[in-house]
Amino acid sequence: QKEVEQDPGPLSVPEGAIVSLNCTYSNSAFQYFMWYRQYSRKGPELLMYTYSSGNKEDGRFTAQVDKSSKYISLFIRDSQPSDSATYLCAMKISGNEKLTFGTGTRLTIIP
Amino acid sequence: EAGVVQSPRYKIIEKKQPVAFWCNPISGHNTLYWYLQNLGQGPELLIRYENEEAVDDSQLPKDRFSAERLKGVDSTLKIQPAELGDSAVYLCASSSRLNTGELFFGEGSRLTVL
Repeated sequence: QKEVEQDPGPLSVPEGAIVSLNCTYSNSAFQYFMWYRQYSRKGPELLMYTYSSGNKEDGRFTAQVDKSSKYISLFIRDSQPSDSATYLCAMKISGNEKLTFGTGTRLTIIP
Repeated sequence: EAGVVQSPRYKIIEKKQPVAFWCNPISGHNTLYWYLQNLGQGPELLIRYENEEAVDDSQLPKDRFSAERLKGVDSTLKIQPAELGDSAVYLCASSSRLNTGELFFGEGSRLTVL
């Protein structure tokens, strides 16, 4: 079993819809949680970085962490065609710089 | 500010040939990473450098892969000899302690082994 599980999709939604992306993890030592966005043939870029359980909002993006359930989510409101990309969750243990990534979910926003 | 620069972007070689990838991190970033990304998968760490010291190379297949980071700046990742299964994207990333651990990735070097 992988330490981080993520549905690879693909996921297609109409423009303007709310998108929900999720990851589960098995290692309770993970304390830092990130979402990266990766456009085709590009490197990943950081979208959201959270530490504690709860919600963190940044514009149209909300990251949610539930450490008791070992479950993290990324919500995208008012989705745009420019949001079409692969979204990778990533997490790490405190004091360890190694990031463990999920497989990524490929998202397409249909105009 | 320039980002992480990698070259070549694309490389096609025959199996058993050697190949090398180069990475120039963001200026001032002391930590450099090489990640491997297979198609449809997330990146997996190969090696991490703190300045010129390799502090985590446990996932690097040392029989055919080698890496170096001379003077704690640029880095080179080498594969010799390449196998069919090495076809993937090799991502370089860098980070600074001042960025709370955020990794900045290059665009990657896409390797195809025939």
